Amino acid sequence: DAGVIQSPRHEVTEMGQEVTLRCKPISGHNSLFWYRQTMMRGLELLIYFNNNVPIDDSGMPEDRFSAKMPNASFSTLKIQPSEPRDSAVYFCASSSSSRGAYEQYFGPGTRLTVT
Amino acid sequence: DQQVKQNSPSLSVQEGRISILNCDYTNSMFDYFLWYKKYPAEGPTFLISISSIKDKNEDGRFTVFLNKSAKHLSLHIVPSQPGDSAVYFCAASDRNYQLIWGAGTKLIIKP
Repeated sequence: DAGVIQSPRHEVTEMGQEVTLRCKPISGHNSLFWYRQTMMRGLELLIYFNNNVPIDDSGMPEDRFSAKMPNASFSTLKIQPSEPRDSAVYFCASSSSSRGAYEQYFGPGTRLTVT
Repeated sequence: DQQVKQNSPSLSVQEGRISILNCDYTNSMFDYFLWYKKYPAEGPTFLISISSIKDKNEDGRFTVFLNKSAKHLSLHIVPSQPGDSAVYFCAASDRNYQLIWGAGTKLIIKP
């Protein structure tokens, strides 16, 4: 299995621009998570999908952030407009546990730099 | 309010010796605990887990111990190898989908 795939691996953009991060979960996994990692706040859960439906987006920082999962094999995290404080590594993870998302499998992350 | 705490930001251990990484939690509803390992420029990878009904789980060189009364778990790596140098995260779950993560401990294995 190829594991969780994220693109791009690196993104550098100017403040105010739209940024779209992409994720392909492991085939057969029905849960998908978007995380953000920063030095100050560590690993934060942004949003969780189960069977393509957003279950909890309480971690999304503000309305500038949005996430979609149009089908079981693809998800996007969009930031519009981007700000320098959005600079971080964004991870996507997937899981297939029916009891909960205990064992999550992470992608390699997208390092976002907003100048 | 940190529900999962890893109080040691870093740990240095001689190759071949035992590495012990510690994690404390505050929420007694947590019933499943996991350790993840992270190399630079990679995502965290699942290492080992333990259910709250157990006090020990072993997988090769890795053993996780759970002390529920003390709300403490630890990861033992024996013997430590250079490839074990990484950041180790402790995470906990309360039967919900969400994992609550510690801040991580950077383990450095000295040759």
